[in-house]
Amino acid sequence: NAGVTQTPKFQVLKTGQSMTLQCAQDMNHNSMYWYRQDPGMGLRLIYYSASEGTTDKGEVPNGYNVSRLNKREFSLRLESAAPSQTSVYFCASSVSTGGGGNTIYFGEGSWLTVV
Amino acid sequence: QKEVEQNSGPLSVPEGAIASLNCTYSDRGSQSFFWYRQYSGKSPELIMFIYSNGDKEDGRFTAQLNKASQYVSLLIRDSQPSDSATYLCAVTGTTDSWGKLQFGAGTQVVVTP
Repeated sequence: NAGVTQTPKFQVLKTGQSMTLQCAQDMNHNSMYWYRQDPGMGLRLIYYSASEGTTDKGEVPNGYNVSRLNKREFSLRLESAAPSQTSVYFCASSVSTGGGGNTIYFGEGSWLTVV
Repeated sequence: QKEVEQNSGPLSVPEGAIASLNCTYSDRGSQSFFWYRQYSGKSPELIMFIYSNGDKEDGRFTAQLNKASQYVSLLIRDSQPSDSATYLCAVTGTTDSWGKLQFGAGTQVVVTP
């Protein structure tokens, strides 16, 4: 019962390097999300995908791109990493983006440091 | 102005006492309200959700919602050391932003034996 799985768990990048965070869910959910969490800031939505084939910007999309590869997988790419992107990244999924009680389930997080 | 506000704490609670956490939100059209618990270094996990005015109880947890005052709270009864964590309030927006949760920064709770 894996739920939401994201890789890698830890990564150190040099400024300007690129990388992709991978996320997969096995709950047959339609919607997937990428959040970042910074101290004192709470969780902020980077991008989300309401359903396979669609993606939309969240609150803090600059410097990121996403791909909804299929229903299970949603990746987050940093094309040219900056120190400001040092954060903990959480992938999440839900049955849909609608309805009261829509529950979002989170992966275990990816700790990214950009030096 | 942040859309979801929480007192950052820490909130120190004696074991066995009631912990009371508060959350206010700015979007009057918000529909659903969630409380997540996050242990240090771990991912958020859902405690409960509420979308109707009034109280909702689940075990030792009670969520209270007052849409007129734009206020949601969480009570933890008989607090245990295992309840020591950060509690995140999350709110969905108006109809055109379903599922795009707005999170507060969280309230740290410390339960002392």
